Amino acid sequence: AQSVSQHNHHVILSEAASLELGCNYSYGGTVNLFWYVQYPGQHLQLLLKYFSGDPLVKGIKGFEAEFIKSKFSFNLRKPSVQWSDTAEYFCAVNNQAGTALIFGKGTTLSVSS
Amino acid sequence: DTAVSQTPKYLVTQMGNDKSIKCEQNLGHDTMYWYKQDSKKFLKIMFSYNNKELIINETVPNRFSPKSPDKAHLNLHINSLELGDSAVYFCASSQVGSVLAFFGQGTRLTVV
Repeated sequence: AQSVSQHNHHVILSEAASLELGCNYSYGGTVNLFWYVQYPGQHLQLLLKYFSGDPLVKGIKGFEAEFIKSKFSFNLRKPSVQWSDTAEYFCAVNNQAGTALIFGKGTTLSVSS
Repeated sequence: DTAVSQTPKYLVTQMGNDKSIKCEQNLGHDTMYWYKQDSKKFLKIMFSYNNKELIINETVPNRFSPKSPDKAHLNLHINSLELGDSAVYFCASSQVGSVLAFFGQGTRLTVV
């Protein structure tokens, strides 16, 4: 069965610090990978996605993620965080169209100004 | 226009009651989902419907019954609500052949 692990439960950073959130998945076949963000009191929004091609994908708001197949990882990065990046970040995976997303347990990011 | 809309946004009810949460999408998608986000923010799939037919039914108590009157709507009905049902419920949709899902704003259900 597919599973997703997010290693960091709660990350606290100061503004302008660099961010890397870990995500590992467990699945041997072809996967589609996603990062979603949930700002306080709001719905899930897609940050970025990887289907195929260039393993370094760029998303909205300066976020990027790198797919490393050999490590089953899809870590999220941002060079310089802002206070407005305070949110919950979820890594997710599915393996084909029409199937449900399997989510990690989420990482809470708190950015102090 | 809101792509995936859920009503109500907040729902507070007593144990034992029956309640429904509605979901509508105007994206023309064929597949709709219900996810549950628990108090620890863990998101898990509950149901998936494709063109009004049930595709996924995870180990959810049969007090939960999804109903899809047409492919643009997937409502969630919950009987005999329990304290443990308190959570945020998210509706989502995707197009056939696409792995990309769009989420609604969530319904925060509180059972007292």
